[in-house]
Amino acid sequence: NAGVTQTPKFQVLKTGQSMTLQCAQDMNHEYMSWYRQDPGMGLRLIHYSVGAGITDQGEVPNGYNVSRSTTEDFPLRLLSAAPSQTSVYFCASRMTDNYGYTFGSGTRLTVV
Amino acid sequence: AQTVTQSQPEMSVQEAETVTLSCTYDTSESDYYLFWYKQPPSRQMILVIRQEAYKQQNATENRFSVNFQKAAKSFSLKISDSQLGDAAMYFCAYRRNTGSGTYKYIFGTGTRLKVLA
Repeated sequence: NAGVTQTPKFQVLKTGQSMTLQCAQDMNHEYMSWYRQDPGMGLRLIHYSVGAGITDQGEVPNGYNVSRSTTEDFPLRLLSAAPSQTSVYFCASRMTDNYGYTFGSGTRLTVV
Repeated sequence: AQTVTQSQPEMSVQEAETVTLSCTYDTSESDYYLFWYKQPPSRQMILVIRQEAYKQQNATENRFSVNFQKAAKSFSLKISDSQLGDAAMYFCAYRRNTGSGTYKYIFGTGTRLKVLA
């Protein structure tokens, strides 16, 4: 089925470890974004991309890196995990500015 | 700055009844988009309905409809004939113009809807 695929679904990291959350979409969407969801705070934008080779920061970018080498893939890298990064992470893509997002199923990350 | 407020952290509705979830937003823009997303326990975020600000007609998708009051900056979601499968977290979202030719979405904090059998 077409959509946004995120892996892994669950992950536990130790403080200081690094890892990459994978995101792939097969809808040829130009726009892709990473959000984190924390209780009582809704979704907050981490990084976004408007096309291959173009990325920009959202409202909470510190501690995260992204790259967009292809239209399909938009990985999110945690450089040195901290307990404050414990959250549920969503990757999302959309066709144009006038359409809503298609979301992945999320990654629940726990940093201990 | 644009903000989105969902003042009801939790709502309950009896099966087959109608419920309205409220959302207000703050903006100085005249042209924008508003969305409602549903997040069931599976965590998958699903687009329920969208509204274009320049359209006066309220959007409708089957049992889901909105009451869009532009002057009041209100965008409520009405769910008719509520079903058990409607139980979820509902997020209101506003599409913001960044001024550099791109758009960002601002999400509210969500309303958890419980459907009682």
